[in-house]
Amino acid sequence: DGGITQSPKYLFRKEGQNVTLSCEQNLNHDAMYWYRQDPGQGLRLIYYSQIVNDFQKGDIAEGYSVSREKKESFPLTVTSAQKNPTAFYLCASNQGVMNTEAFFGQGTRLTVV
Amino acid sequence: RKEVEQDPGPFNVPEGATVAFNCTYSNSASQSFFWYRQDCRKEPKLLMSVYSSGNEDGRFTAQLNRASQYISLLIRDSKLSDSATYLCVVNPNTGNQFYFGTGTSLTVIP
Repeated sequence: DGGITQSPKYLFRKEGQNVTLSCEQNLNHDAMYWYRQDPGQGLRLIYYSQIVNDFQKGDIAEGYSVSREKKESFPLTVTSAQKNPTAFYLCASNQGVMNTEAFFGQGTRLTVV
Repeated sequence: RKEVEQDPGPFNVPEGATVAFNCTYSNSASQSFFWYRQDCRKEPKLLMSVYSSGNEDGRFTAQLNRASQYISLLIRDSKLSDSATYLCVVNPNTGNQFYFGTGTSLTVIP
């Protein structure tokens, strides 16, 4: 079945540690996105990539990094520079053309203690 | 000004009621509009796309008003299973980004 997979579903890390969240899709989509969701704030764009080996900062990129070495994969690293990393992280993909919807992974709930 | 604004609610309605949500967007050049549904602690899932001519899918009707820059979602004959958060999503036609509203919470009461 085609889809977008995030792992792990739950992640706990100590403060000051970097952590990488996985996102893989087999939909052959060109564009991939990372969002962060906090209670009452909706989804905020962290990074997005329109094509392999290229990505752009979203609205809240500080303290995060990404790579897009393969079309299928768009991992997100939450670095120690991110001041408030505890959140629900959602990865999405779409065909990269207008009027096409985004498909989401199941999300990773990151808790930093 | 935010790209997309929604009334967060909550909307608490009895079963069988009709409920409507509105969402305004700031970029007049926006081309793509969607309504997503998100259940508690789950990922958003596409409910329906919003076309210029409006569209209907069973009990759900979505409409676009370009002049006033808002989209709406109407749910008729509400079911308990409609309880969720409804997200308005706009693609502003620049960089293929998606902008999400904060979501409107709906609870359908028996």
